[in-house]
Amino acid sequence: DVKVTQSSRYLVKRTGEKVFLECVQDMDHENMFWYRQDPGLGLRLIYFSYDVKMKEKGDIPEGYSVSREKKERFSLILESASTNQTSMYLCASTRRDAQETQYFGPGTRLLVL
Amino acid sequence: ILNVEQSPQSLHVQEGDSTNFTCSFPSSNFYALHWYRWETAKSPEALFVMTLNGDEKKKGRISATLNTKEGYSYLYIKGSQPEDSATYLCAFETSYDKVIFGPGTSLSVIP
Repeated sequence: DVKVTQSSRYLVKRTGEKVFLECVQDMDHENMFWYRQDPGLGLRLIYFSYDVKMKEKGDIPEGYSVSREKKERFSLILESASTNQTSMYLCASTRRDAQETQYFGPGTRLLVL
Repeated sequence: ILNVEQSPQSLHVQEGDSTNFTCSFPSSNFYALHWYRWETAKSPEALFVMTLNGDEKKKGRISATLNTKEGYSYLYIKGSQPEDSATYLCAFETSYDKVIFGPGTSLSVIP
């Protein structure tokens, strides 16, 4: 059974804190993604990675960075959390080929006070 | 700017009713159309991926159709059950590897 896990389901942080969201997949997938989901909007891509140590900006990278030191792990970092980063964060992975469905983690609901 | 729309935004139906909703996407640079189901407190799960105009896919009581020329896909649920309650997401994959998600349709099936 394939699995994508995220380090926390719920997280409460204060403005200005550094926040780490971790994602691990056990499917040996090359591609990994971080999205955020807000009411009334589709999943918006923050960053993605096609390989270890590779990263590419998505549609809304401002205020975020990522790290992919190992193939199975993709971390999202909020350098200085702000209230407008309160959201649901979803990690996903796929194999390298196009038309591959994405496998998602359960999401982390982050509240920044 | 590529836009993917879904309608309706939310839907409440009685158990046993059949229902359908729509995903609209750009008709150019089409590569694939994905449908996902996202139940509360769970991970989104893939339902279908469709690539050819006229494609129809079926999984149990759920089926989907694709019209790439006019840029829409329909998802049908026959005889809705409470366990069908979820948000249904479509995602448009372009020929240059970009995937854009729609905002989702939230379905509630009332027993």
